[in-house]
Amino acid sequence: EPEVTQTPSHQVTQMGQEVILRCVPISNHLYFYWYRQILGQKVEFLVSFYNNEISEKSEIFDDQFSVERPDGSNFTLKIRSTKLEDSAMYFCANEGTGSTDTQYFGPGTRLTVL
Amino acid sequence: GEDVEQSLFLSVREGDSSVINCTYTDSSSTYLYWYKQEPGAGLQLLTYIFSNMDMKQDQRLTVLLNKKDKHLSLRIADTQTGDSAIYFCAEREVDSGNTPLVFGKGTRLSVIA
Repeated sequence: EPEVTQTPSHQVTQMGQEVILRCVPISNHLYFYWYRQILGQKVEFLVSFYNNEISEKSEIFDDQFSVERPDGSNFTLKIRSTKLEDSAMYFCANEGTGSTDTQYFGPGTRLTVL
Repeated sequence: GEDVEQSLFLSVREGDSSVINCTYTDSSSTYLYWYKQEPGAGLQLLTYIFSNMDMKQDQRLTVLLNKKDKHLSLRIADTQTGDSAIYFCAEREVDSGNTPLVFGKGTRLSVIA
């Protein structure tokens, strides 16, 4: 099965610091997503990205968040000034362009904001 | 908006069948998915079904869809201890291209040896 990888697996940061979460997608899968899961809660959609621009974003994805593909391969999520409530598992997902394609998820990055 | 609901816990004995239930609200054409999350791991796609189907079977997994009641179930036959995990139901609209998934809270399946 195709594999999405994410780094780091766990990130601990102080409130107000910037963090960058990284995702290595499946080759030739051109749709990218970020989701998050606060402990004990639902997996929530943050943002989708295609053709080097944001396709859709949720209410959670405010000005503190940004996404990019800095080198045309990796896909990153940046949180500029972290808050305590940003503590969560962050999942990257990747999808091809076929009509029946599905989203493949990475193992997640656990972000802890102190 | 779309919403997906699941029961939070299920406990079964090894060798029995497990049935995990899910309800959804979206009324348009939709794909419905089951993902599995083992401790410390990501979301593993198990199976999916399109809303014009009633049933899909894949080895030990059977998905049943009741469109009238918007009810989806995942049956795991001959449940093993390795099936212990959280199972997420998710849906997405298909009319408007590559859309995000909407997840339920997940059902924690515990398999007792």
